[in-house]
Amino acid sequence: QLQLQESGPGLVKPSETLSLTCTVSGGSISSSTYYWGWIRQPPGKGLEWIGSISYSGSTYYNPSLKNRVTISVDTSKKQFSLKLSSVTAADTAVYYCARIYKRMGIDDWGQGTLVTVSS
Amino acid sequence: QAGLTQPPSVSKALRQTATLTCTGNSNNVGNEGAAWLQQHQGHPPKLLSYRNNNRPSGISERFSASRSGKTASLTISGLQPEDDADYYCSAWDSSLSVQVFGGGTKLTVL
Repeated sequence: QLQLQESGPGLVKPSETLSLTCTVSGGSISSSTYYWGWIRQPPGKGLEWIGSISYSGSTYYNPSLKNRVTISVDTSKKQFSLKLSSVTAADTAVYYCARIYKRMGIDDWGQGTLVTVSS
Repeated sequence: QAGLTQPPSVSKALRQTATLTCTGNSNNVGNEGAAWLQQHQGHPPKLLSYRNNNRPSGISERFSASRSGKTASLTISGLQPEDDADYYCSAWDSSLSVQVFGGGTKLTVL
């Protein structure tokens, strides 16, 4: 059973960089069948795709966040990471890491972690 | 980034059938369909259907997905109290190379 677990600070100051890591267990991260992604959900709102990465490091980003986002992967640790720079209160959200099966669907999700941007 | 269009809310009675819709364009839903996700309050989303309308293992046959042109549909038959949740559609946009989501439909089971 694949499991994904987000980790990182729950509170980030405005203008600083949000950093989260997702650890994959119970399955391989090194498969061409899947991409690994970050999705966020502001309180009371819908889902927003942040970006995705393959095990080989190919990335796709949401154009509205592209200038501030970096997603990386470390296959030896079975982890992939998110960095979002210059955060504001609008970046306050539950951040999910997830597995994307080809382009057919997001079929496994972490439990999510709430990140609050506040001084 | 153009999102997918879903009605904000749908209400149906227990044991009835609900059909949720999701409209996109020829580059996303019209290309390979939409995936469907269910989310209960305080929990992560759960995949109900892949873009090819196949259900992941363990998903009830009461959930059935289909597509006609640029509109995808999720039909939930024999509504149960646990079906009261938010439902999102999602698709890869092959022109923009982005993952797009619908705004979500709140399904209320009366």
